[in-house]
Amino acid sequence: AQSVTQLGSHVSVSEGALVLLRCNYSSSVPPYLFWYVQYPNQGLQLLLKYTTGATLVKGINGFEAEFKKSETSFHLTKPSAHMSDAAEYFCAVTPSGYSTLTFGKGTMLLVSP
Amino acid sequence: KAGVTQTPRYLIKTRGQQVTLSCSPISGHRSVSWYQQTPGQGLQFLFEYFSETQRNKGNFPGRFSGRQFSNSRSEMNVSTLELGDSALYLCASSEGQGPQETQYFGPGTRLLVL
Repeated sequence: AQSVTQLGSHVSVSEGALVLLRCNYSSSVPPYLFWYVQYPNQGLQLLLKYTTGATLVKGINGFEAEFKKSETSFHLTKPSAHMSDAAEYFCAVTPSGYSTLTFGKGTMLLVSP
Repeated sequence: KAGVTQTPRYLIKTRGQQVTLSCSPISGHRSVSWYQQTPGQGLQFLFEYFSETQRNKGNFPGRFSGRQFSNSRSEMNVSTLELGDSALYLCASSEGQGPQETQYFGPGTRLLVL
């Protein structure tokens, strides 16, 4: 069975600092990988996804993630945090052949002025 | 295009009652998935419907059921509600062409069971 581990339930950064949210997956075959963001009282919004091809994926709002097969990782980064980035971030994976998203536990990003 | 809509947005029920939640997917999307979100268990997959057929099912008891109509709208039903069913229920839609697709989420229905 596939699983996703997000290190750190909470990450705090200052405005303008680098954002790094960690995600590791376990999969016997190369999966499809996603990062979603959830703002309070809202649903999930896709930030970016990796399917095939280039391992560095650029998403919305200045976020990007790099798929590293050797490390089974898909960490999310943003060079400079903005107050509006404060939200909960979920890493997810779909197994080959199925559309079911398996989510990590989520990381709450706190941005201080 | 309009996004995924879910009704109602908030619901309060008592133990033992049943509840029906509704989801309207993005126009043209034929796949609808349901997820339960709780603070303790996080986001968990309930089931997926594609062209009125249940294609995948998560590990939930039989009290949780769903269906999809010919216009791709979907409903999920929970019978004999328990306190632990209190959660945010999220619906997501996609074209249904495979696991590489983006799933678009609605705002959710927040269910409180007293």
